[in-house]
Amino acid sequence: EVQLVESGGGLVQPGGSLRLSCAASGFTFSSYEMNWVRQAPGKGLEWVSYISSSGSTIYYADSVKGRFTISRDNAKNSLYLQMNSLRAEDTAIYYCARAGFGWDYWGQGTLVTVSS
Amino acid sequence: QTVVTQEPSLTVSPGGTVTLTCASSTGTVTSGYYPNWFQQKPGQAPRALIYSTSNKHSWTPARFSGSLLGDKAALTLSGVQPEDEAEYYCLLYCGGAWVFGGGTKLTVL
Repeated sequence: EVQLVESGGGLVQPGGSLRLSCAASGFTFSSYEMNWVRQAPGKGLEWVSYISSSGSTIYYADSVKGRFTISRDNAKNSLYLQMNSLRAEDTAIYYCARAGFGWDYWGQGTLVTVSS
Repeated sequence: QTVVTQEPSLTVSPGGTVTLTCASSTGTVTSGYYPNWFQQKPGQAPRALIYSTSNKHSWTPARFSGSLLGDKAALTLSGVQPEDEAEYYCLLYCGGAWVFGGGTKLTVL
């Protein structure tokens, strides 16, 4: 069974940092592209970042470029999102999503709250 | 930055048919945008329905179908069920970036 489990969310002050993790199981993680998507409270979905299966190709949304860093460790079946210089508008549930045949599997999300 | 536009809300009667659309500010949506459609219910993660315009996942009910309609991507629900009441999002690949539409809140009434 494919599973994606996010962790690392929490309350952080503006300007602070947080590292999210996404633990993958039930499939060959190293064969799949992955994405981070976020959803602010009561709002729609926003794509955050993409990473290719090998990690050689990376894209970011303009809203996080220069502040967030996506990475993966295929040996540990894990995806990461390092978030620096956090702002109030980064408050959201953060989901990891597998890009197989479409974006087929999603985790349940981890909540990041940026507030003083 | 590409903007992807969906109907904010639609209402359909049980058993009816409804079409949701997904437009790009850059022009005609083609298969090269790899349109994806997702369903999200309150308190849940999004669930994938359609990928690459019209392909269904193994769990996608037969009443859901995807297509290109004019200059937009479209999701059609035929024989709507009460459990189809949800928020629906489209997703387009826009050359090095992915962009979600703002979502369509579908009410079954």
